[in-house]
Amino acid sequence: DGGITQSPKYLFRKEGQNVTLSCEQNLNHDAMYWYRQDPGQGLRLIYYSQIVNDFQKGDIAEGYSVSREKKESFPLTVTSAQKNPTAFYLCASSVSVHYEQYFGPGTRLTVT
Amino acid sequence: KQEVTQIPAALSVPEGENLVLNCSFTDSAIYNLQWFRQDPGKGLTSLLLIQSSQREQTSGRLNASLDKSSGRSTLYIAASQPGDSATYLCASVPNSGYALNFGKGTSLLVTP
Repeated sequence: DGGITQSPKYLFRKEGQNVTLSCEQNLNHDAMYWYRQDPGQGLRLIYYSQIVNDFQKGDIAEGYSVSREKKESFPLTVTSAQKNPTAFYLCASSVSVHYEQYFGPGTRLTVT
Repeated sequence: KQEVTQIPAALSVPEGENLVLNCSFTDSAIYNLQWFRQDPGKGLTSLLLIQSSQREQTSGRLNASLDKSSGRSTLYIAASQPGDSATYLCASVPNSGYALNFGKGTSLLVTP
């Protein structure tokens, strides 16, 4: 099956710990994105990557980091510097930037 | 920055009704506009993509229109069904950027 997978579905961490969210796609897409969704707010862009070994900050990149070493993988690390990390995180990909974006099932992160 | 607004925030209709969801955006210089569906706790499912040069797109009972000059898009759902109950999101990609700018969504409930 072609698609985007995110793991785990639910993640719980203690405050002060870094945590890495996985995003994998087998669609052969060049572009990948990370969004954050909070109740009552629209999705907001954290980072995006147009091609392997390249990525750009989005609107709310502070406290997050990413890597793009392989075309199919775009992991997101939520660091202890992120002030309010509890949220629903969504990964997306597209053939290239400006093309239709497809989303994964999301990871719900809870930090206490 | 592109602002995307969706009206109404919530809508409840009886089964069988035709309905219209509205989306407005502040910057008409968009590359494309995408409509998504989101079920509770799930990722986003792409419904329709309208390129900036297009006026509308259709898929089954769904029809999306785009009027760039007025900064508006509408999603028309014909003969609504309880299975259509979900949150509907619109998002645009600006000419100056690469990622989607999202509205906060319209929560639709179709009652039997």
